[in-house]
Amino acid sequence: RKEVEQDPGPFNVPEGATVAFNCTYSNSASQSFFWYRQDCRKEPKLLMSVYSSGNEDGRFTAQLNRASQYISLLIRDSKLSDSATYLCVVNILTGGGNKLTFGTGTQLKVEL
Amino acid sequence: EPEVTQTPSHQVTQMGQEVILRCVPISNHLYFYWYRQILGQKVEFLVSFYNNEISEKSEIFDDQFSVERPDGSNFTLKIRSTKLEDSAMYFCASSEVPTGQNTEAFFGQGTRLTVV
Repeated sequence: RKEVEQDPGPFNVPEGATVAFNCTYSNSASQSFFWYRQDCRKEPKLLMSVYSSGNEDGRFTAQLNRASQYISLLIRDSKLSDSATYLCVVNILTGGGNKLTFGTGTQLKVEL
Repeated sequence: EPEVTQTPSHQVTQMGQEVILRCVPISNHLYFYWYRQILGQKVEFLVSFYNNEISEKSEIFDDQFSVERPDGSNFTLKIRSTKLEDSAMYFCASSEVPTGQNTEAFFGQGTRLTVV
């Protein structure tokens, strides 16, 4: 089983739509959870951290279910500028330190 | 806004040659990382570095790879004898505290390494 698994998409949605991405992780020792955004051939940038209680940042809502090892991201009222690859990222505490483990990413294309 | 900077942005090298990828992390950050992304694939962890030591490394980070913080500001990744399969985008990242504390890792814009 992959450490972090995501549907690669692409998700093609019209502007203004609501879209949801899901992610599962296999390591129950995972500590911290994030959604990063990556534009084509650019570096990953943090979109938001994901907390157990769920959290919202404007049009973006993230949820974490530790029991099911499942993370989600909801984007409401999607904009053309939301087109990107969304990376589910899990921090795993190892014997030596921390490492971020990335999913393959889900590609979103928002269209007129 | 402070940022992680990487040089060069693109490096082409012949198979078997040594390359050094350079990074300047954000100045007050203490934790440094290298990741790589082969075209069309996911971002993969290579190594983390703290207090002038490697704190964690992946299976990819074999004896051909080394990291160094030579002067307190630069953080370098050396590949001793490059292979074709080392062709990838290499990202440097830094964080103020360990990423396990829900803290953001800031990524540089990457160095695209092409081995021919």
